[in-house]
Amino acid sequence: DQQVKQNSPSLSVQEGRISILNCDYTNSMFDYFLWYKKYPAEGPTFLISISSIKDKNEDGRFTVFLNKSAKHLSLHIVPSQPGDSAVYFCAASDSGGSNYKLTFGKGTLLTVNP
Amino acid sequence: DAGVIQSPRHEVTEMGQEVTLRCKPISGHDYLFWYRQTMMRGLELLIYFNNNVPIDDSGMPEDRFSAKMPNASFSTLKIQPSEPRDSAVYFCASSPLDEQFFGPGTRLTVL
Repeated sequence: DQQVKQNSPSLSVQEGRISILNCDYTNSMFDYFLWYKKYPAEGPTFLISISSIKDKNEDGRFTVFLNKSAKHLSLHIVPSQPGDSAVYFCAASDSGGSNYKLTFGKGTLLTVNP
Repeated sequence: DAGVIQSPRHEVTEMGQEVTLRCKPISGHDYLFWYRQTMMRGLELLIYFNNNVPIDDSGMPEDRFSAKMPNASFSTLKIQPSEPRDSAVYFCASSPLDEQFFGPGTRLTVL
């Protein structure tokens, strides 16, 4: 049973527009959420995170929003750039903020078209 | 820093053979994780270590899988005997506590 779900396997957007990647979770014990980006033939790299005590965290072009009541989070990329084309994984932890055990979604392939 | 190092990058073997995947974590990181990525199940945590001690191996699929960390700079994931359904990309990651740093992965194909 998938505790972290990314229901969109792929997303295509135009350069300069907003990319919105979504993630749902079922485990109410999750209290820390992360997004990782993965290029082909490379390992995932950390992008941005959010604690359950917040509902928004921003880092440059990347913003993560958390809606605890809906058990939903989203990653916004504005403006999108071709170099953002990658697979994005949502991950969650119930380890009290120490993300040493993560549950990942299956990923969403983002394609940003020039 | 060279990052997390995994070897081999690619492994092709025949069913029934033993496979050993290797990982060198980033120096100073106390946590080491082994993950498996497949199309069907995405990225799954298999096992993780803290200070060379296995903490949680609940993700290890079967007894055919075993992992060791004999010292702070080396870990292995062994599959014996291997089966075609073990074909996947296996990632090793290390962490000082918060962010996890992933290696490039080993693509395993079992024929």
